[in-house]
Amino acid sequence: AQTVTQSQPEMSVQEAETVTLSCTYDTSENNYYLFWYKQPPSRQMILVIRQEAYKQQNATENRFSVNFQKAAKSFSLKISDSQLGDTAMYFCASGYGNKLVFGAGTILRVKS
Amino acid sequence: NAGVTQTPKFRILKIGQSMTLQCTQDMNHNYMYWYRQDPGMGLKLIYYSVGAGITDKGEVPNGYNVSRSTTEDFPLRLELAAPSQTSVYFCASSHGLAGGPEQYFGPGTRLTVT
Repeated sequence: AQTVTQSQPEMSVQEAETVTLSCTYDTSENNYYLFWYKQPPSRQMILVIRQEAYKQQNATENRFSVNFQKAAKSFSLKISDSQLGDTAMYFCASGYGNKLVFGAGTILRVKS
Repeated sequence: NAGVTQTPKFRILKIGQSMTLQCTQDMNHNYMYWYRQDPGMGLKLIYYSVGAGITDKGEVPNGYNVSRSTTEDFPLRLELAAPSQTSVYFCASSHGLAGGPEQYFGPGTRLTVT
């Protein structure tokens, strides 16, 4: 069974600074995907970034990037130049086949 | 494209009542899912479907039923509502194996059972 652990229940960062959210996962599969989803106060789940496990290069999407350490089963999200609109719950998820397993989430608060 | 739509947005039920949460997607996705999110928690899979006429249980299926008569629609039925079913319910869809397992979510339904 796949499990996803987010060890930081809450984090805060000053506007324009950089923050890193941690995620570890456990899977016995070889071909899997990893995702970060953002859930702002509107509750809408928004896909932030995805990483294919077979790719060594870390995924980036504008101010969002990941540090994927396959051997350590670690998948952290770095948010650069934090903005007030980044305030949200962030969920890490692993996917194999047709299912996703979600972590418990990290609340990120960006302060002005 | 509207993506994944859910109705209603909010609902209050009395204990023992029944209701159906509606979910529709217009992306021609084969895979559809229902999750519940309890306060301060992650998402737990209730049921999923890999195509019309095919459904299967997820992690927390008790107290719920689903059907999938068309590719677009995947309603979730609550029978005999209980306070433990107070939660936010999300429907999601994905291409599936060929297109990657990332899922696209509806806006959610906040359900309160009193």
